[in-house]
Amino acid sequence: QKEVEQDPGPLSVPEGAIVSLNCTYSNSAFQYFMWYRQYSRKGPELLMYTYSSGNKEDGRFTAQVDKSSKYISLFIRDSQPSDSATYLCAMSYNNDMRFGAGTRLTVKP
Amino acid sequence: IAGITQAPTSQILAAGRRMTLRCTQDMRHNAMYWYRQDLGLGLRLIHYSNTAGTTGKGEVPDGYSVSRANTDDFPLTLASAVPSQTSVYFCASSDSGASKNIQYFGAGTRLSVL
Repeated sequence: QKEVEQDPGPLSVPEGAIVSLNCTYSNSAFQYFMWYRQYSRKGPELLMYTYSSGNKEDGRFTAQVDKSSKYISLFIRDSQPSDSATYLCAMSYNNDMRFGAGTRLTVKP
Repeated sequence: IAGITQAPTSQILAAGRRMTLRCTQDMRHNAMYWYRQDLGLGLRLIHYSNTAGTTGKGEVPDGYSVSRANTDDFPLTLASAVPSQTSVYFCASSDSGASKNIQYFGAGTRLSVL
């Protein structure tokens, strides 16, 4: 079993839809949880990070962490074609980071 | 713009040849990393360096070597390339003194070994 599981998709939604991206993990030691966005033929860029359980909102993006269930989510409201990318979850503890395989999202106009 | 520079952006290499992928950062981060990204497998750590002068092995180190002579540079060398090393390679850096250890990535090097 991988430490971090992420559905690779692909996920296709119409413009304006609410998108939900999710990861599960097995190591309860993880403390920081991140979402990276990767456009085609580019490097991953940090989108959001949260510490421990709870929600964090940044514009149209909301990150949720449920440590009791070992489950994290990224919600995108009013999705735009420019949100089309691969989204990677990541989590870390003691400078050790693990990545999910990434979910490819396409938002159609 | 501050960040990580990788070179070359892409390369086609004959099997058995030696190749060095270059990585330079200007953020004065103490930690640097090399990953390979393959479809369905995500990012896998090859080697890392927590500070200049030290290196460590990641998840998939075989066939690769690294050096960290100074803070800014972290080259990755394939001594004798094989087709299974065809991948996209990303260099990253972080301030490992910060507890959250956010990693910042370069644009990647696309390597094809034939």
